[in-house]
Order: sequence, then structure tokens, then C-alpha cells
Amino acid sequence: GAGVSQSPRYKVAKRGQDVALRCDPISGHVSLFWYQQALGQGPEFLTYFQNEAQLDKSGLPSDRFFAERPEGSVSTLKIQRTQQEDSAVYLCASSVERGGSSTQYFGPGTRLTVL
Amino acid sequence: SQQGEEDPQALSIQEGENATMNCSYKTSINNLQWYRQNSGRGLVHLILIRSNEREKHSGRLRVTLDTSKKSSSLLITASRAADTASYFCATDAISGNTGKLIFGQGTTLQVKP
Repeated sequence: GAGVSQSPRYKVAKRGQDVALRCDPISGHVSLFWYQQALGQGPEFLTYFQNEAQLDKSGLPSDRFFAERPEGSVSTLKIQRTQQEDSAVYLCASSVERGGSSTQYFGPGTRLTVL
Repeated sequence: SQQGEEDPQALSIQEGENATMNCSYKTSINNLQWYRQNSGRGLVHLILIRSNEREKHSGRLRVTLDTSKKSSSLLITASRAADTASYFCATDAISGNTGKLIFGQGTTLQVKP
């Protein structure tokens, strides 16, 4: 079946612009995660959804970052007033179960460049 | 950052040789997972080992876990040029139980044909 998809794959924004990144998880997957990966680093956790509920947003770096999953499937990560330090690859992952102990399947990521 | 540590940071070997990567982490875990990432692409799940397991095999991959030392190793046997990629370990901490993964900084593996 289809894997996790993300769009756009690449996004260039001018500093101060708002951006919206989309994630389509694997159908039926309960859990959805967003991660941020800086160049040359491992991914860092941003936020976690169980169905439509955002249960953990401890990794969001500032209040400019906002995520939603209103119907428990597609999720959007929004970054307001983008800054250069927001430049990174944003990865979405989904897993079939609630909570931990199951494999997370990752999408290809959205590479955000803020000029 | 709560990232663990991986070593070596970079590894270059000849095709056919074995590659060993190590990972250390900080907190008690439910499981530890290894992922591969090719340049500019997403993460591909390789193997998951639970905290009550000590060793696991999948094809040419062998993973060990030592919870007393909070460390894991990934062995790739009979390496191929197609194994060239970055490899990350990721831990699922017991606390919180959201399943969020804490990644190491990765090992970049180059397999020369």
C-alpha cells in the first residue's frame, strides 16, 4: 500500500513568511509524529498526535510552530513568521498503534529553506 | 537536545567487508530502532529490538542491545555499495509513552565498490 507522503517536497520562503507543510500518513495509522532534521544531524521530535488529539508538543521550538490533525488523518505543520534557523527538513512519521513500541514509518520529508 | 551518541561518525569500507556501528543512549527505553537514510531521502526502518531482547537478526543485519550499558550495535555483513547511507539509532523512552523517538547523530557509511 501507499506509504507516508508529504508535500511540498521543497519549499523556499522569505524570512517572515508563513508556511504550511502537509503530511498524509498511512491509512488507518493512529499515531502521527513530526520531526525536524537539521543538516548533518539526526531528527529531533517536534510533536505527536494520537488520532486528532495532540498529546505531546514538547518539541515545538517556539509558539511560531503550530500543528493540527483535525480529522485524525492528514496533518499540517504551520510555521509563522519564518526565520533562517527554521531551515531544515521536516519529517512526518506514522505508526499503527497508540503510544510507543511500534515501528514508525517516515515520509520523504519537506526541505524548507528560509532566505 | 536529548540525542544519544553514535560512533564512528563516519566509516569507509570496501565492498564485502563488515561494518559495525555503535549507539549509546541516556534513559531507560521500551525499544531501540535502527534506520537508514540515503542522501536527500526519508528514513527507512531497518530493525526494532525490544528492551528485553539482547540480539536480533534480519538478513545481513545483526543488532545487539545491552541495557546495562545503555548501548547498541548494528552489524552489516558482506556490505554492498548500495549500503552507502547514513544510519541512525533511535530510542523510544519509557517515560511519557508517546512513542516519540530520540535519535542519535548518525553514522555515515561509505561502501566502496
